[in-house]
Amino acid sequence: DQQVKQNSPSLSVQEGRISILNCDYTNSMFDYFLWYKKYPAEGPTFLISISSIKDKNEDGRFTVFLNKSAKHLSLHIVPSQPGDSAVYFCAASEYTGLSFGAGTTVTVRA
Amino acid sequence: DVKVTQSSRYLVKRTGEKVFLECVQDMDHENMFWYRQDPGLGLRLIYFSYDVKMKEKGDIPEGYSVSREKKERFSLILESASTNQTSMYLCASRTLQGRSSYEQYFGPGTRLTVT
Repeated sequence: DQQVKQNSPSLSVQEGRISILNCDYTNSMFDYFLWYKKYPAEGPTFLISISSIKDKNEDGRFTVFLNKSAKHLSLHIVPSQPGDSAVYFCAASEYTGLSFGAGTTVTVRA
Repeated sequence: DVKVTQSSRYLVKRTGEKVFLECVQDMDHENMFWYRQDPGLGLRLIYFSYDVKMKEKGDIPEGYSVSREKKERFSLILESASTNQTSMYLCASRTLQGRSSYEQYFGPGTRLTVT
């Protein structure tokens, strides 16, 4: 059973607007969360992360929010740019490594 | 920069063939991982290795084996390839040192097609 879920397989957003990607998890023992970005025919690359002791982390246009009580995290991209079109994976850290969600494909429209 | 390389970008094999996928990392990372990526399922862990000659099963190890004889190299072996093993295979590595210990670094992937 998947412990990390991304329930929206795709998201379409206009250039310049905000993209909001959501992720839910079931294992309360996860202590670190990461977002990866993946272009076709390339490996995933690390984007941003957050420790379970924080509720927000910002890096330029990217902000990750963590709500531990709801076991929910989200990634905000503001403003969205055409180069942001990719698949985004949410991941949670556990003993053996990372558990990944199924991914959300983001398409930024000009 | 960390570099993780995989021996092939695209591979086509026949059912029943033995298949070797090679992965090499150049940052002296302790841990290495093999995942497969399928649409709608995300990345699923096949096997991982804590260190040389050490391996652990991941979530979907059936039909696969691994080998780690040297720290920088982690091989995934499909003993008898089947069509349901057609997938994108991704190798990753991770250090246990410092602030980056959670982050995994990925190779470019190998798109394997079994016919």
